[in-house]
Amino acid sequence: QKEVEQNSGPLSVPEGAIASLNCTYSDRGSQSFFWYRQYSGKSPELIMFIYSNGDKEDGRFTAQLNKASQYVSLLIRDSQPSDSATYLCAVNESGGSYIPTFGRGTSLIVHP
Amino acid sequence: DAGVIQSPRHEVTEMGQEVTLRCKPISGHNSLFWYRQTMMRGLELLIYFNNNVPIDDSGMPEDRFSAKMPNASFSTLKIQPSEPRDSAVYFCASSVHRAGSPLHFGNGTRLTVT
Repeated sequence: QKEVEQNSGPLSVPEGAIASLNCTYSDRGSQSFFWYRQYSGKSPELIMFIYSNGDKEDGRFTAQLNKASQYVSLLIRDSQPSDSATYLCAVNESGGSYIPTFGRGTSLIVHP
Repeated sequence: DAGVIQSPRHEVTEMGQEVTLRCKPISGHNSLFWYRQTMMRGLELLIYFNNNVPIDDSGMPEDRFSAKMPNASFSTLKIQPSEPRDSAVYFCASSVHRAGSPLHFGNGTRLTVT
């Protein structure tokens, strides 16, 4: 059973701070990793995709991947109240099926 | 690009009734996924199609659930008979079958079985 683990939160940060969201996965052969954002009552939408060890930056968002530790994280700099949402980590299965397994998500609250 | 289109947006039905959820994937996408989301269990994969063929249906809860994809532009998820524990949000998502290709989700169907 392939597993993706996230702290459910809520993670509460003040506006302007850095929010750090973490995810661990069990499938050592996984190659593709995604972060989705889901607002309440809405569908998940892609924020970031990463497949190489290290950091990948896109605007205020930075994804970090460490395959040896089976760990992927998302940093949100200068957090805004509009960032308040649930963040889902998704990991594609190894073996070429490209089937993603989702974590339960971390609820982020950015307060003014 | 109209995105993934699901219907209906909301469905309220009584226990024992048949429920059919519909999905139109993004044109050109050859992978289609049905997920169920609840507070207790998060997003669970029910079934995955590639090129209209069911590849992995290990997540389908039981024989009451069935899914079809008769062509590249249409899929259905059917529950018969429905039970209160089936109440959830059901998402359809599509993607291109290649490494790094993200899922594009529809708006979901909120199902309530009373």
